[in-house]
Parts: sequence; C-alpha cells; structure tokens
Amino acid sequence: NAGVMQNPRHLVRRRGQEARLRCSPMKGHSHVYWYRQLPEEGLKFMVYLQKENIIDESGMPKERFSAEFPKEGPSILRIQQVVRGDSAAYFCASSPQGMGYTDTQYFGPGTRLTVL
Amino acid sequence: QKEVEQNSGPLSVPEGAIASLNCTYSDRGSQSFFWYRQYSGKSPELIMSIYSNGDKEDGRFTAQLNKASQYVSLLIRDSQPSDSATYLCAVMGGGGSEKLVFGKGTKLTVNP
Repeated sequence: NAGVMQNPRHLVRRRGQEARLRCSPMKGHSHVYWYRQLPEEGLKFMVYLQKENIIDESGMPKERFSAEFPKEGPSILRIQQVVRGDSAAYFCASSPQGMGYTDTQYFGPGTRLTVL
Repeated sequence: QKEVEQNSGPLSVPEGAIASLNCTYSDRGSQSFFWYRQYSGKSPELIMSIYSNGDKEDGRFTAQLNKASQYVSLLIRDSQPSDSATYLCAVMGGGGSEKLVFGKGTKLTVNP
C-alpha cells in the first residue's frame, strides 16, 4: 500500500528560476495539503486542495506561489522566481474523503528545496 | 492568531523512563489533536490522534486531552533510544477548518 509520494526529493534552483513540486496522495485519498518547514521552524500550513478545487489557501504567500490538484495526475506546488528565503522542506499530506474532524493527515517524504 | 505551544526542550530521559511531552493551544473551538514524531531530516510520522477529553492509550504511548484547560500531552512509557526524535503537537482548528496548526516541537533524547 503505497504512501504519499513526493518528487523530487531534493531540488536545487538558482534565484529567479521556477520550482515545481509534485505530490501523489495515498490510494483512496482525495484531500491534499501542503506544508512548509523552514530551517529550525515548525511546520506551517500553506494550502488545502481537493480534486480541481482549492479549498483553503490562507497560508500561501500572496505572490509567486500557486497550487493545483487536477482531475488527473498529481498535485503541483509551483514557486515562481524563487528567492533564497524559499529554501525549506515542503511536505505534502493527504487524508481520506468525508471524515470531517476525525480526518487524519499522512505525510509524504518531502521535497527539500535549496535556492542558490 | 491561533497558536500551539510546546516546550522546545531538549528533553533528556534515561532508557526505560517515562517521557512526558506537553502542548497548549489557543483555539477553544479545536476538535482534533495529533502527535507526530519527526526524525532529523525525515517527514512527520503520526503517532496518536485524540478527539475526546481523557486518556487514549496505544502501546507505550498515552495521549491525554483536557479541553477545558486547552492542554494535550503525550506520555511515552519504557522510553527507548529509538524514541529520540522531535515530537510535534498538531491541532485541527474549529469552524470546519481542516488545516493543522503545529507547535515547534519538543526534541526528546533517550539515553541508553
């Protein structure tokens, strides 16, 4: 039973380039969440998506960041024109559908983004 | 600002002892509470979830919740060196929000 998959596991970008992070939820899960963990900081919520819908993007920076979860394929977190402050571990989590407040989020291995 | 507070530690206990990890939260409407374990350089791994006041036991782990005091704790009995990790308290907010708010974590070291 495959868990949450993320790729790439490590990504190096130069300032000004674009970063694309991918997440495939666990089988049977239709909810996807993205979190960011800055060095020596806690995990911070970024965005919550269901298929073809952004449900909550209250944690997303206003500029340069976007996310999608298309009908087919993985969820994508896109960072345009990366800056050094974007260097962090980006984790994706997924949860089953329709369980409400008892939903449990399971985390993928993360993508570690380094901006040079 | 909805917050989750944890003692950053480090917390050091000898092998075989009980490790006690504490967490407080500010959102009174919160309904779901989780403990995750994170080894250095790895992703968070779910240990326990708790939704009702009282204790919930799973093997060597016991989660305790007191909504009136806005307090949740994790006890680890018979601590092992392999339990050495950072423990993250996470709270799912009220009002239908499904995002997790995390504390900064408590680093636990179990000494052989």
